[in-house]
Amino acid sequence: QLQVQESGPGLVKPSETLSLTCTVSGGSISSTGYFWGWIRQPPGKGMEWIGSFYDGGSTYYNPSLQNRVTISEDTSESQFSLRLHSITAADTAVYYCGRGRGYSGYGFPDFWGLGTQVTVSS
Amino acid sequence: DILMTQSPSTLSASVGDRVTITCRASQTISRSLAWYQQRPGRAPKLLIYKASTLESGVPSRFSGSGSGTEFTLTISSLQPDDCATYYCLQYNSYLKTFGQGTKVEIK
Repeated sequence: QLQVQESGPGLVKPSETLSLTCTVSGGSISSTGYFWGWIRQPPGKGMEWIGSFYDGGSTYYNPSLQNRVTISEDTSESQFSLRLHSITAADTAVYYCGRGRGYSGYGFPDFWGLGTQVTVSS
Repeated sequence: DILMTQSPSTLSASVGDRVTITCRASQTISRSLAWYQQRPGRAPKLLIYKASTLESGVPSRFSGSGSGTEFTLTISSLQPDDCATYYCLQYNSYLKTFGQGTKVEIK
């Protein structure tokens, strides 16, 4: 059974880089017909698509975050990661990783982790 | 970006009631719409995709309809287990966007 779990620091200082890892078990991040990605939900606000990777290395990033975000995969470890640079208080959110069903990045998320709270504060 | 407007933001109904949630897209998205349920402290759960296709294992009291710009999620007979927040998501483009969510409560 597929499981995904986010991990990373709960507290990050402004201007630093946020690094989160998503560990996948019960499935492969190399499977055809799926993509993997991150979303976030700031307190009291709606969910925001951060980005995704698919087809063995292609990535898509939300244009509003494109200058600051990197998503990369580590197939050997069944993990993928999110790095968000120059963070501010506006990046405080619950961050979710998950799998999407579809080809070439098109499609819909079909499985998510429980999420990890990230607070940006000095 | 495609803006998804979801309504109502909160809904209170009795057990057994028929409940409808609406999502409107700012431009046509064909049938590229999914619905999710999120209970407190739990991961969002996929209910419906392609506007009306029920995900495996989801109770049949959930149904979806619509195409183009207007979509609905219906719970035919509300159960206590359905207390949650429901989100729509459009996936007609690489940049997927969500509705703001509808919190469903039991009276």
